[in-house]
Amino acid sequence: DAGVIQSPRHEVTEMGQEVTLRCKPISGHDYLFWYRQTMMRGLELLIYFNNNVPIDDSGMPEDRFSAKMPNASFSTLKIQPSEPRDSAVYFCATQQGRVDTQYFGPGTRLTVL
Amino acid sequence: AQSVAQPEDQVNVAEGNPLTVKCTYSVSGNPYLFWYVQYPNRGLQFLLKYITGDNLVKGSYGFEAEFNKSQTSFHLKKPSALVSDSALYFCAVRDISGGGADGLTFGKGTHLIIQP
Repeated sequence: DAGVIQSPRHEVTEMGQEVTLRCKPISGHDYLFWYRQTMMRGLELLIYFNNNVPIDDSGMPEDRFSAKMPNASFSTLKIQPSEPRDSAVYFCATQQGRVDTQYFGPGTRLTVL
Repeated sequence: AQSVAQPEDQVNVAEGNPLTVKCTYSVSGNPYLFWYVQYPNRGLQFLLKYITGDNLVKGSYGFEAEFNKSQTSFHLKKPSALVSDSALYFCAVRDISGGGADGLTFGKGTHLIIQP
């Protein structure tokens, strides 16, 4: 299996632009998580899905952030409009079942100028 | 609410010596505990986990961790450190006693530096 796939690996954009981050989970995994990593706040859970349905989005920082999972093979995290404080590494992680291990993708490093 | 504390920002160990990276946790129910390692510009790699059973858990690359319920700790250990073990280590906890599968709560991470 190729593991969790994230794209792009790096994204540099200007303040005010829309940013879309993508994630392809491991086949058969029914949970998908989006995390954000910054020096100041460490790793934070943003939102997670079970069977493509959002379960908990309490970690999403504000309305500028949205996430979707239209099918079992794809999820997006969108920021519109982006701000410099959104600069971080965004990770997608997936797991199979409630007690399984979470497996992380390589991350997307976002820089907002 | 659940939380994880990694009291050391950095741990320095000479190659060949045993290493310990400390982790304590707080959950309202039963904890599921994990250790991940992150190399520069890479994602998190799973090392080991404790769900139930033996308190000593063995994982990848010769690492092991000991679950101590009374001290609410889950310290990561290795008998003989390698320079290649130098990385950022994260302890994480999940409490599913409420019935749902929550995301992981991570500690701040500990930089492990193995000196040749």
